[in-house]
Amino acid sequence: QLQLQESGPGLVEPSETLSLTCTVSGDSISTTSYYWGWVRQPPGKGLEWIGSVYYSGSTYYNPSLKSRVTVSMDMSNNHFSLILNSVTAADTALYSCARQGYRSYYMDVWGKGTTVTVSS
Amino acid sequence: DIQLTQSPSLLSASVGDRVTITCRASQGISSYLAWYQQKPGKVPKLLIYGASTLESGVPSRFSGSGSGTEFILTISSLQPEDLATYYCQQVTSYPLTFGPGTKVDIK
Repeated sequence: QLQLQESGPGLVEPSETLSLTCTVSGDSISTTSYYWGWVRQPPGKGLEWIGSVYYSGSTYYNPSLKSRVTVSMDMSNNHFSLILNSVTAADTALYSCARQGYRSYYMDVWGKGTTVTVSS
Repeated sequence: DIQLTQSPSLLSASVGDRVTITCRASQGISSYLAWYQQKPGKVPKLLIYGASTLESGVPSRFSGSGSGTEFILTISSLQPEDLATYYCQQVTSYPLTFGPGTKVDIK
């Protein structure tokens, strides 16, 4: 059974770097059939796609975050990661990782999410 | 970027009611649309993909229709456990975008 689990600091100081990892169990992230992506949701607001990565290393990012975000894969540890630089209070959100179809792009399996607060 | 709008933003209905939510895209996206259900305190759950294909395990009271720029999510008989916010997502091209959500309340 496929499971995704986010991990990382719950509190990040303004101007610092947010770093999260999504550990995948029950399947290999090196599959050709899926992308692996990140979505966030600020408190009381809607969903925002952040970025996605494919086993080949190809990445796609939300233009609104592109200058600050990196999504990468670690196949040896079967996880993928999110780095967001120069964070502000506006980056406070529930961050979720998800499996995303290669041809269809919909997100069919999600982690439980992790809350990140940006504050000093 | 493809923009999505949803209507209504808030819907209050009784158990057993038929409920419809509309999602409109700023340009044609064929059938490349997904619907998600997000219950309070939880992450989204995929309900429908390809505009009308029900994800495995999703109750048959949920259905989706539409293509091009207008799509509809229907709950044929609202149940108490359907209390949630529903989001559409276009999956035709990057950047992936979500609609603003429709919150469904039970009267």
